[in-house]
Amino acid sequence: QQQVKQSPQSLIVQKGGISIINCAYENTAFDYFPWYQQFPGKGPALLIAIRPDVSEKKEGRFTISFNKSAKQFSLHIMDSQPGDSATYFCAAIAIVNSGYALNFGKGTSLLVTP
Amino acid sequence: NAGVTQTPKFRILKIGQSMTLQCAQDMNHNYMYWYRQDPGMGLKLIYYSVGAGITDKGEVPNGYNVSRSTTEDFPLRLELAAPSQTSVYFCASSYSQGSNTGELFFGEGSRLTVL
Repeated sequence: QQQVKQSPQSLIVQKGGISIINCAYENTAFDYFPWYQQFPGKGPALLIAIRPDVSEKKEGRFTISFNKSAKQFSLHIMDSQPGDSATYFCAAIAIVNSGYALNFGKGTSLLVTP
Repeated sequence: NAGVTQTPKFRILKIGQSMTLQCAQDMNHNYMYWYRQDPGMGLKLIYYSVGAGITDKGEVPNGYNVSRSTTEDFPLRLELAAPSQTSVYFCASSYSQGSNTGELFFGEGSRLTVL
């Protein structure tokens, strides 16, 4: 059962455009929502994260928008660059047996064309 | 700091063979994790550990075993390899977890093929 649903699966954006990736969740106990960026042949790395007490967080060209009532959050990449081409994963804290771990969406492969 | 180091980077196994994927971190993190990544399926948690001597199952633990004898090391053992275990395996560590989870630091992955 996928606890975090991510869309689209792939995305092609022209240089300078806005990339938008959406995620939705059901578990209202989630209280931490990070985004990870993964380049080919590398492990994921934290890009930006948000907690549900704020509706938006911006770091440079990257913005997370969070809608608690709709249980949705999204990543916006402004002025997208070819170097942003990567796979992006949204995630949320999940309760796993007696502990916690990040539960990832299936990922979005972003290609920014020159 | 080397961060999270995984070995080997690539391995081909025959069905029924066994092997251990090694993971070491030098950040003194208490929490360590093993994920597997399959195309279009995201990252699925196999096992995790909250400290030396303590391990627990994640979402997809069948066919795998782990141990955590030290803070630094968290090896993943595959017994009786099957084609379904063909995947890229990522080890990760973090300083804390739960609602105060900090950043997860990932290794570069181990690509395993079972033929």
